[in-house]
Amino acid sequence: NAGVMQNPRHLVRRRGQEARLRCSPMKGHSHVYWYRQLPEEGLKFMVYLQKENIIDESGMPKERFSAEFPKEGPSILRIQQVVRGDSAAYFCASSPGTGGQETQYFGPGTRLLVL
Amino acid sequence: AQSVTQLGSHVSVSEGALVLLRCNYSSSVPPYLFWYVQYPNQGLQLLLKYTSAATLVKGINGFEAEFKKSETSFHLTKPSAHMSDAAEYFCAVSSGAGSYQLTFGKGTKLSVIP
Repeated sequence: NAGVMQNPRHLVRRRGQEARLRCSPMKGHSHVYWYRQLPEEGLKFMVYLQKENIIDESGMPKERFSAEFPKEGPSILRIQQVVRGDSAAYFCASSPGTGGQETQYFGPGTRLLVL
Repeated sequence: AQSVTQLGSHVSVSEGALVLLRCNYSSSVPPYLFWYVQYPNQGLQLLLKYTSAATLVKGINGFEAEFKKSETSFHLTKPSAHMSDAAEYFCAVSSGAGSYQLTFGKGTKLSVIP
């Protein structure tokens, strides 16, 4: 059973470009979460999605960031007009159900570098 | 609101020595607690979790953690460190059965000295 898959693993963008990060959850998992890890920091929750629905985006910056989880295909985290402060590792996690006791399984992350 | 404090951003132990990584949490409701390990340039792997059953939780790779409500702590231990344990360890909390947001500590980097 393949784990959570993320691509690309590394992404370099210049200021003002767009970044698209993809996440395929584990088979059978319909709950997807995105977290951001800044240097020397723990992971911070960004958004929680189910198929075709954004359930909670309280951790997303108000501008330039968006996320989707379409009926078919991976979940996408999109960052428009990137700035240097967006440089971070972005992790996707998935779970078979939701709730505080559920284990979230993490992907290897996408490391974004903005030049 | 919930929060996690990990005491010590870096911990060094000798191979074969006891590993103790500290985690204190705050939560307004009974928490669920997790320890994850992150190897360089990899994702997070679950070591163990506490979900209100036994207070002493055993995980993978010989790690265990004890939930102490009176101390609001969930420290991670391993009796004998191995070189392969060198990694970064994150403690995380979620509050309540309906809470899916994990709040992470800043992490503790463990070095194992041969």
